[in-house]
Amino acid sequence: LAKTTQPISMDSYEGQEVNITCSHNNIATNDYITWYQQFPSQGPRFIIQGYKTKVTNEVASLFIPADRKSSTLSLPRVSLSDTAVYYCLVGDRYNQGGKLIFGQGTELSVKP
Amino acid sequence: GAVVSQHPSRVICKSGTSVKIECRSLDFQATTMFWYRQFPKQSLMLMATSNEGSKATYEQGVEKDKFLINHASLTLSTLTVTSAHPEDSSFYICGGVFGNTGELFFGEGSRLTVL
Repeated sequence: LAKTTQPISMDSYEGQEVNITCSHNNIATNDYITWYQQFPSQGPRFIIQGYKTKVTNEVASLFIPADRKSSTLSLPRVSLSDTAVYYCLVGDRYNQGGKLIFGQGTELSVKP
Repeated sequence: GAVVSQHPSRVICKSGTSVKIECRSLDFQATTMFWYRQFPKQSLMLMATSNEGSKATYEQGVEKDKFLINHASLTLSTLTVTSAHPEDSSFYICGGVFGNTGELFFGEGSRLTVL
């Protein structure tokens, strides 16, 4: 299983763009990259998933370079409600025997 | 996204008793369910993987006789903490895999406090 490394914490201000980078040097060919958000005392919430290049949805963008050894979650114009822990996970599709191992996550604090 | 519901959300029990936590996929069939445990200020730790109709696969260091997992149907998995002790107090989270796409949806979590 590919191990992930993220910054332990980040600070930002409302309205700013936040980029959280995750390193996964030993990512396998079949592995996808998925980001989750977790608020205290709640289960993780899916944000975005990608395999290569760039993926964008209504809440975030995910940038993956060609070598796939890292990925960057981009949150545009964050608000106070984006204060949470963000997890980067790497693994095979979960309906094909893969399993989801969480790393330490990045605690994002958004200030007014 | 699909909905996974856990029950109870909070439970307090006496040491030595057993507690059952239910995890239901409300609008999809979960071929695989994962069970996690999370201590305060820590990340989620995978406890076991269960597939419908078969025995769960436990992670190293997780006692299968203490944490009984049953995945009897495609919409229900249960975790029973047997003879609970204060050190079992934790936040337990399940995740259900949507078979068609392989997406994983998590429940709200269940906070267990053992007195």
